[in-house]
Amino acid sequence: AQSVSQHNHHVILSEAASLELGCNYSYGGTVNLFWYVQYPGQHLQLLLKYFSGDPLVKGIKGFEAEFIKSKFSFNLRKPSVQWSDTAEYFCAVSPYTGGFKTIFGAGTRLFVKA
Amino acid sequence: GAGVSQSPRYKVAKRGQDVALRCDPISGHVSLFWYQQALGQGPEFLTYFQNEAQLDKSGLPSDRFFAERPEGSVSTLKIQRTQQEDSAVYLCASSWSGNQRDEQFFGPGTRLTVL
Repeated sequence: AQSVSQHNHHVILSEAASLELGCNYSYGGTVNLFWYVQYPGQHLQLLLKYFSGDPLVKGIKGFEAEFIKSKFSFNLRKPSVQWSDTAEYFCAVSPYTGGFKTIFGAGTRLFVKA
Repeated sequence: GAGVSQSPRYKVAKRGQDVALRCDPISGHVSLFWYQQALGQGPEFLTYFQNEAQLDKSGLPSDRFFAERPEGSVSTLKIQRTQQEDSAVYLCASSWSGNQRDEQFFGPGTRLTVL
């Protein structure tokens, strides 16, 4: 079955530290890849997405993600986190199977200490 | 403009009761998704509508779950004879077109607790 794995469930960083959140998926075909974020008290919202072209994708608020096809990975990065980045981050995959299913990982809770 | 709205925000049901959860997508959005999110987990796909057509219901966990979008806008997720394992947050999302690459806009969710 198709699945998405996020390696870290909880991450605690100090402001200005660098961030990398891991995401691996299990599907051998073509996929669309997404990172969504949920800030405290807010709805899930899109951070960035990838479907083709340059495997290094830039999103909002200084986030970027790199698609490595050979590793089935789509890791999220930010060079210097801020207190306002405290949130839950979800990696999601939409496989080209002819269906419309989007598969989410379990999420990573990030807490940034001021 | 207004985002995706869901009602009620919270629902407590006794085991065996039927519940109906409502989703108002962003006006004009073609696609509508329902997800179930258990505590500590990511959203899990339930079903997908393109306008009024239910094109994918592969994620519905049992025949107790039923969804409809009769006029291609508002959608209702109905759960019959609720069980304790149905306790979760039910999320609705909509997107502009029928393209899988589109951003999904999520509502605040309905937290269902089955006693």
